[in-house]
Amino acid sequence: DTGVSQDPRHKITKRGQNVTFRCDPISEHNRLYWYRQTLGQGPEFLTYFQNEAQLEKSRLLSDRFSAERPKGSFSTLEIQRTEQGDSAMYLCASSPGDYLSNEQFFGPGTRLTVL
Amino acid sequence: GESVGLHLPTLSVQEGDNSIINCAYSNSASDYFIWYKQESGKGPQFIIDIRSNMDKRQGQRVTVLLNKTVKHLSLQIAATQPGDSAVYFCAEMFSGGYNKLIFGAGTRLAVHP
Repeated sequence: DTGVSQDPRHKITKRGQNVTFRCDPISEHNRLYWYRQTLGQGPEFLTYFQNEAQLEKSRLLSDRFSAERPKGSFSTLEIQRTEQGDSAMYLCASSPGDYLSNEQFFGPGTRLTVL
Repeated sequence: GESVGLHLPTLSVQEGDNSIINCAYSNSASDYFIWYKQESGKGPQFIIDIRSNMDKRQGQRVTVLLNKTVKHLSLQIAATQPGDSAVYFCAEMFSGGYNKLIFGAGTRLAVHP
């Protein structure tokens, strides 16, 4: 499967714990995006990487959230001191990044439940 | 799997009928639009896209119409099939920035045999 992959698919944690999610984009896609989706809503943009550089962060991304893409390939999203309001589906998407192709390909998501 | 869009507006159609799903977008500067299909427990799946220099684009069984005057987008699905049952989202983008997608609220499509 050469699509976007995410790990884990499901994560249940207790409030106050730290969690880390991983996203592997489609090979050679230089743009990578993280989105968050809550029940009944469309995905909301969190952050964007062009290669290894994090170029934009949403105001939704509080200080407890950090994302990295150290080698311009896979990315991690960490949430520290999780809160119940962090419960959501976290989606990763990648894009080739050239003008002719703005399409973003989404992974299956990581479903986070904070108890 | 967990349901996507438990409280979304629902469009119910009979198998074989045509479906029309509507969406209003917010930013008049947006110049690229995508329709995504999302099934329970899965990420959004690309259906069709359209740039702002067009007002209509056709794919296989799907057509997207864009009306920039009223900032309205629609997705038409011909001969709707049970496999089309899902939540559908429109998304807008301003390609002069970092290409982040802004998603609409979504519509659940229920296809009945």
